[in-house]
Amino acid sequence: DTAVSQTPKYLVTQMGNDKSIKCEQNLGHDTMYWYKQDSKKFLKIMFSYNNKELIINETVPNRFSPKSPDKAHLNLHINSLELGDSAVYFCASSRGQGHYEQYFGPGTRLTVT
Amino acid sequence: GESVGLHLPTLSVQEGDNSIINCAYSNSASDYFIWYKQESGKGPQFIIDIRSNMDKRQGQRVTVLLNKTVKHLSLQIAATQPGDSAVYFCAENYGGATNKLIFGTGTLLAVQP
Repeated sequence: DTAVSQTPKYLVTQMGNDKSIKCEQNLGHDTMYWYKQDSKKFLKIMFSYNNKELIINETVPNRFSPKSPDKAHLNLHINSLELGDSAVYFCASSRGQGHYEQYFGPGTRLTVT
Repeated sequence: GESVGLHLPTLSVQEGDNSIINCAYSNSASDYFIWYKQESGKGPQFIIDIRSNMDKRQGQRVTVLLNKTVKHLSLQIAATQPGDSAVYFCAENYGGATNKLIFGTGTLLAVQP
């Protein structure tokens, strides 16, 4: 009964490639997020969608594009991958406005070589 | 697995002792605070939260204290167990409609048997 799931768990690719990470939540939440965790464990918000509408868009290169086909799914597409994109990417969800507790997925470890 | 040479603040405690993990937050307007536990290879997991109109909240073996005067948050874990070994993050919500959590640096709790 996975609440927030991500695929793939590991992703190894070469510089310049385009890749996608998928996220699904079965909690019935309205809001979903993407975070990046670097090698120092620093966790930073990238994007947030509420009912398929983009509500948080941090200073992220435009090579990163989130897509929310419905409120249970939030995918992250990355174009022209760079070495510095190597990190663990976490998806999270929350009930929505005024409900701040976020539930995290297991993470996707992206390694760019 | 974990990154080699990861230099997080570390708290080392003996099994059975109480642990106190501290966090300084940045925004005096933040109205919600949350503690997460992240075990190796997993996503952050909710432990306990507190709203700015409270100064103490207790859960099972955990207590969060909030001192708004000095913008300080602490997590107390009673009778620390080996299973408590993890990285602990505090996060603050800046308020407003976007549910944006800003995470602290993280503290590695190492429980010695």
